[in-house]
Amino acid sequence: EAGVVQSPRYKIIEKKQPVAFWCNPISGHNTLYWYRQNLGQGPELLIRYENEEAVDDSQLPKDRFSAERLKGVDSTLKIQPAELGDSAVYLCASSPVNTGELFFGEGSRLTVL
Amino acid sequence: GESVGLHLPTLSVQEGDNSIINCAYSNSASDYFIWYKQESGKGPQFIIDIRSNMDKRQGQRVTVLLNKTVKHLSLQIAATQPGDSAVYFCAENRDQAGTALIFGKGTTLSVSS
Repeated sequence: EAGVVQSPRYKIIEKKQPVAFWCNPISGHNTLYWYRQNLGQGPELLIRYENEEAVDDSQLPKDRFSAERLKGVDSTLKIQPAELGDSAVYLCASSPVNTGELFFGEGSRLTVL
Repeated sequence: GESVGLHLPTLSVQEGDNSIINCAYSNSASDYFIWYKQESGKGPQFIIDIRSNMDKRQGQRVTVLLNKTVKHLSLQIAATQPGDSAVYFCAENRDQAGTALIFGKGTTLSVSS
């Protein structure tokens, strides 16, 4: 079974530029998450989707971050414009309905110069 | 404030020794806990979970202990191997629906041969 797929794995941009990350969850997983992981820290939740509905986006910096999951499958996370402090690994995870076990992708490492 | 944290940022052991990684949580309402392993450049990988109605759960070479009285969680790894070297995170669930994991900062386990 394929796991959670994320792209790109690495992205280097200059500040003020836009960037987008893509995630394809495990087939059949209704719940999708975006986490941000700063160096040496644990992952922090940005947004959680149940199918196509964002049910928890309280930690998403909405002035520059946006996310979508239009058909309840793939998702994109966008940052515009990026700031130096956005450098981190952006992790996507998915889980089946009514379980707390999250399956993570490899992450997208963003470096903002 | 409420947080999930680990007592020690690093732990070094010899191959074959038993390892114990500790975690303290602050929210007595949390009812589900997971340990994740994260190797360099990869996403967190599920190891073992435990619900608050249990105080011990065993897997293959791993045991999780939960002490609700002092809000303490531990992960025991038997006969630690070099492949166990990674960062270990405890995560707690504070959402009644069961899917909003909050991660601690992590403990780096180093296993020497």
